[in-house]
Amino acid sequence: EAGVTQFPSHSVIEKGQTVTLRCDPISGHDNLYWYRRVMGKEIKFLLHFVKESKQDESGMPNNRFLAERTGGTYSTLKVQPAELEDSGVYFCASSLVDGAYNEQFFGPGTRLTVL
Amino acid sequence: DQQVKQNSPSLSVQEGRISILNCDYTNSMFDYFLWYKKYPAEGPTFLISISSIKDKNEDGRFTVFLNKSAKHLSLHIVPSQPGDSAVYFCAASYGSSNTGKLIFGQGTTLQVKP
Repeated sequence: EAGVTQFPSHSVIEKGQTVTLRCDPISGHDNLYWYRRVMGKEIKFLLHFVKESKQDESGMPNNRFLAERTGGTYSTLKVQPAELEDSGVYFCASSLVDGAYNEQFFGPGTRLTVL
Repeated sequence: DQQVKQNSPSLSVQEGRISILNCDYTNSMFDYFLWYKKYPAEGPTFLISISSIKDKNEDGRFTVFLNKSAKHLSLHIVPSQPGDSAVYFCAASYGSSNTGKLIFGQGTTLQVKP
């Protein structure tokens, strides 16, 4: 069974540009999460989808970030315009059912560098 | 305000000895705690968890201890193996809620020397 996949693995962009990250969860997983880790710091929650609905978006830093999950399958996270502090590793995770008791499976992450 | 803290950025132990990784939290509403392991260029993978109604959970070489009064948990790995070398993240959640939001610490890099 394929795990969570993320694309691209790396992205280097200039400040002010737009970047779109993609996450494909494990097939059949209704719950999809985005997290971010800034260099050497904690992994921070961004948001949680249940199917195509945003269950919790309390971690989204500002309105430059837009997450979508049309059709309840893959998800995209767009940063527009990108700022230097947006650099970090963006992880996506999925789980079969919601709630923290249910294991979240993480993808390998997308490393975003904003110059 | 960081609610989950791992104050040791790194730890080095000899193969066969015990590794003890520590984690402190501030929010008494957390009721479920997890440890994740992360290798370079990979995502975190779940290792072991513990509910706040327990003080110990064991799975093979891995044991997690929870001290609620001190708001402290620890992960014991014994015996440590070179393949255990990775970054270990402590995470907490409101397990009884319907959100899977995890609050992570900064991670501790464990190096197990042969």
